[in-house]
Amino acid sequence: GAVVSQHPSWVICKSGTSVKIECRSLDFQATTMFWYRQFPKQSLMLMATSNEGSKATYEQGVEKDKFLINHASLTLSTLTVTSAHPEDSSFYICSAPGGGGETQYFGPGTRLLVL
Amino acid sequence: KQEVTQIPAALSVPEGENLVLNCSFTDSAIYNLQWFRQDPGKGLTSLLLIQSSQREQTSGRLNASLDKSSGRSTLYIAASQPGDSATYLCIFQGGSEKLVFGKGTKLTVNP
Repeated sequence: GAVVSQHPSWVICKSGTSVKIECRSLDFQATTMFWYRQFPKQSLMLMATSNEGSKATYEQGVEKDKFLINHASLTLSTLTVTSAHPEDSSFYICSAPGGGGETQYFGPGTRLLVL
Repeated sequence: KQEVTQIPAALSVPEGENLVLNCSFTDSAIYNLQWFRQDPGKGLTSLLLIQSSQREQTSGRLNASLDKSSGRSTLYIAASQPGDSATYLCIFQGGSEKLVFGKGTKLTVNP
């Protein structure tokens, strides 16, 4: 089946630094990818929709200048958390639709801890 | 290895009918269970989250239950509407916080 990878799986950084997370569709192309985050004891929440070759679409309450998304190719989307703060510590996960768009394939997630 | 199974894979019902979607999991060490809906071309929309200490959660016409002993969760949709047509996904989160995804149930509500 289709595979989506994420890198890194774990990242610890100091407050104020920027962190880039990559999401790759390994054996299929994805013009759209989705970014989610999950805070402890909460549901996974959609942050933004990444569109290849155009601007990402952000969900209400998600700062586009803080969470920069680049979808420069059909197999790679990146999420950059700029000037990360402890409240950005979360589990970030991406997904890409395959199977004609009816099936979502999820990456394994990235755990971010900002000190 | 944790497995999450959703039955049925697809369901078609007439408008107004009450329906139940099933999700079963093999590992009893559950942290929480989440139900989402997925519309074509869109990201997941969170519906209900049941923590391991809870037995059910309700939101409007939706009710989700969790039975850890039997490894099952159900999503009950009352008085279904055509706008409920979507794929419903359950996601198991275990003690390690790893997410395990079901394959979804595609629901069609016919007017």
